[in-house]
Amino acid sequence: GAVVSQHPSWVICKSGTSVKIECRSLDFQATTMFWYRQFPKQSLMLMATSNEGSKATYEQGVEKDKFLINHASLTLSTLTVTSAHPEDSSFYICSATRMDTEAFFGQGTRLTVV
Amino acid sequence: QKEVEQNSGPLSVPEGAIASLNCTYSDRVSQSFFWYRQYSGKSPELIMSIYSNGDKEDGRFTAQLNKASQYVSLLIRDSQPSDSATYLCAVKIRNFNKFYFGSGTKLNVKP
Repeated sequence: GAVVSQHPSWVICKSGTSVKIECRSLDFQATTMFWYRQFPKQSLMLMATSNEGSKATYEQGVEKDKFLINHASLTLSTLTVTSAHPEDSSFYICSATRMDTEAFFGQGTRLTVV
Repeated sequence: QKEVEQNSGPLSVPEGAIASLNCTYSDRVSQSFFWYRQYSGKSPELIMSIYSNGDKEDGRFTAQLNKASQYVSLLIRDSQPSDSATYLCAVKIRNFNKFYFGSGTKLNVKP
């Protein structure tokens, strides 16, 4: 299967600071990358869809100014959580599609805001 | 109505039995169907993809698709305790580059 690498795997930050999460497709060019959030024992919640070189499409209820997404190349997308608060603590997962078919997930990033 | 529906479970089966996981979807132009496995605290990993009606087998796993009934299932033969996880069904709709996930079915395989 294709490899998607997400970094960091966990991060603890202070309330009010910003955190950047990277998502890279290592062995394929990803036409589209997706960002999800998952709270404990809950399902994946799609936050946004990003295509290389264009603005991300955010799902309803997701603040675009708080969750900044940059898709700079066909192999890299970043999610920046700005002015993080404890309620932003969650498991953030990216996925990337190969040739618009299957989606492969990164390892996930566990964010804790204290 | 949710695009993809799954029974949340938990589904408990004894070791060595067949586990049957089911998923229904609402959009008739759904194109591609996927099963993912997610262990607690980890991200989902792709198990199977299926695109046409019928069965698709890969080792102990068999995916079954019935587009007329808008139904996709996953059978796990000779279930092992290591199969205990949450199984997510995902659907990709034609012409939309977006995946819709079910809420997942938790499977417990008892030794």
